[in-house]
Amino acid sequence: SQTIHQWPATLVQPVGSPLSLECTVEGTSNPNLYWYRQAAGRGLQLLFYSVGIGQISSEVPQNLSASRPQDRQFILSSKKLLLSDSGFYLCAWSVPRRGRYGYTFGSGTRLTVV
Amino acid sequence: GESVGLHLPTLSVQEGDNSIINCAYSNSASDYFIWYKQESGKGPQFIIDIRSNMDKRQGQRVTVLLNKTVKHLSLQIAATQPGDSAVYFCAEMAKTSYDKVIFGPGTSLSVIP
Repeated sequence: SQTIHQWPATLVQPVGSPLSLECTVEGTSNPNLYWYRQAAGRGLQLLFYSVGIGQISSEVPQNLSASRPQDRQFILSSKKLLLSDSGFYLCAWSVPRRGRYGYTFGSGTRLTVV
Repeated sequence: GESVGLHLPTLSVQEGDNSIINCAYSNSASDYFIWYKQESGKGPQFIIDIRSNMDKRQGQRVTVLLNKTVKHLSLQIAATQPGDSAVYFCAEMAKTSYDKVIFGPGTSLSVIP
């Protein structure tokens, strides 16, 4: 069965420090991968999505970047965190062009920038 | 989209009553819709889906209604329980872009014991 792993679950980082959040998917090949951010009490904001290794699409200009070094690995990074980067970060995957659509989400990372 | 910056609308329901959560979708070309449930501190989870060739679909205690004429989607939860307290998101997809899901702003459901 397909599973998605996201870590860490919580993270407290000082302003100006780097960031690396990792997401891996098991049990499927060539998934579409997504990074979302959710501010407290707000909706889901799509940050990046990837349809293949090395292919990254950015949805909003920001202090973050994403990479996909392997088929089932998606990494969200920042060189210098801002206070406004605080939020709940969600990774998701979907199987492109097949049967049931929609996303499966990871359990999320709560990032607090202090 | 614009809705991500807005506070979530809230709905308070007495335990045992039925809940109705509404969603207006934006794309006339959307032909597949999903409702997600997000509990506090967790990722959204799939609840129920519906294709545009249907106007109603039932699951366990949940029913989704689709009105394509007015681009409206609703989720009905029967006999609401405390465990139903969560944020509910509708999502739409169009055949031309199944790889990108458009999420609604979400509704926070609070069940009063």
